Amino acid sequence: GQQLNQSPQSMFIQEGEDVSMNCTSSSIFNTWLWYKQDPGEGPVLLIALYKAGELTSNGRLTAQFGITRKDSFLNISASIPSDVGIYFCAGLGNEKLTFGTGTRLTIIP
Amino acid sequence: GAVVSQHPSWVICKSGTSVKIECRSLDFQATTMFWYRQFPKQSLMLMATSNEGSKATYEQGVEKDKFLINHASLTLSTLTVTSAHPEDSSFYICSARDLAAYTFGSGTRLTVV
Repeated sequence: GQQLNQSPQSMFIQEGEDVSMNCTSSSIFNTWLWYKQDPGEGPVLLIALYKAGELTSNGRLTAQFGITRKDSFLNISASIPSDVGIYFCAGLGNEKLTFGTGTRLTIIP
Repeated sequence: GAVVSQHPSWVICKSGTSVKIECRSLDFQATTMFWYRQFPKQSLMLMATSNEGSKATYEQGVEKDKFLINHASLTLSTLTVTSAHPEDSSFYICSARDLAAYTFGSGTRLTVV
């Protein structure tokens, strides 16, 4: 099945640093979602974007829906240890979610 | 907020046996649920869409006779992996749609030995 391309694939940062990741697609989506998955758990919704150009924040997280509707990015400011995990973007089309390849975030002590 | 419960969280079964996984929407009704499979260090891949009161819709390449889906009520969908083999070992995750939100269960780790 189709997957969305996420970059970077993995990130190693120090606590307190800002993080930026993005997601691109060859297809247009009308809704973009960002999820976080902890080991052995299901994904948990972080931010939902419904309109091209929309910029939405949820605490230290900020996400934007690209103007072309083919991309989105997620920023995390002032990272903390509990930010560790895998971040997935997902595009909603035909009432089904297509997931990105994931970005694994690791915080170096 | 919407809560989706998945059971069991892990299961080990012998090759050739069948395993049933349950997905329940606890505080909302879900006419549509989704089943995903996730291999280690990979993304979630949609297997099928479970529709209450009708047949499931399977994604290309997913064997409908091997992965039986039943969505008999507005709060319960089940996935049965029939005649399981070691290559079916994976993390299975369900999702339910509540209006515009897609909420996921906590997943089931299946190990076939």
